[in-house]
Amino acid sequence: DTGVSQDPRHKITKRGQNVTFRCDPISEHNRLYWYRQTLGQGPEFLTYFQNEAQLEKSRLLSDRFSAERPKGSFSTLEIQRTEQGDSAMYLCASSRYSDPKTEAFFGQGTRLTVV
Amino acid sequence: AQTVTQSQPEMSVQEAETVTLSCTYDTSESNYYLFWYKQPPSRQMILVIRQEAYKQQNATENRFSVNFQKAAKSFSLKISDSQLGDTAMYFCAFMTDPQGGSEKLVFGKGTKLTVNP
Repeated sequence: DTGVSQDPRHKITKRGQNVTFRCDPISEHNRLYWYRQTLGQGPEFLTYFQNEAQLEKSRLLSDRFSAERPKGSFSTLEIQRTEQGDSAMYLCASSRYSDPKTEAFFGQGTRLTVV
Repeated sequence: AQTVTQSQPEMSVQEAETVTLSCTYDTSESNYYLFWYKQPPSRQMILVIRQEAYKQQNATENRFSVNFQKAAKSFSLKISDSQLGDTAMYFCAFMTDPQGGSEKLVFGKGTKLTVNP
């Protein structure tokens, strides 16, 4: 499968615990995005990387959130001291910069439930 | 800031009929891209159709077409000959000209489309 892969698909955690999600983009894609989707809403942009550089972060990304893409390939999104309001679907997408089609391909997401 | 509004939370259509999903957006940019994404239940979001704002011709992809009205900031999606597999959430999304930097998408809240047999 050459699509965007996210792991885990589901995560249930207790409030206050730390969680980490992983995203493996399409191999030739140098841009990677994280979005958050809550129930009844469209996805909201969190952050994006071009290669290993994190070029933009949304104000939605509080200090408890950190994202990395250490070698410009896979990315991780960590949430520290989780809160119930963090419960959402976390989507990863990738695209190829300078591709005139500028199409972003999405993964199936990681659904986080904070209890 | 750009905003995208989808005023129809839910819609239904009979198989083989035509349905139109509405989307309006607000921006001060002159060049941008508009998209319709489909999110089937428990599956990843996929691109349905894309429109570049500088192109006056409406985009079409097989049974999917758009009605892009730039002055009215309207971007509706028409699905012809609806199929059961079209049942999904449909999101309208906006992106500023990627030459200017971020290619982040701004999404509407979505329209849940059900195709009935």
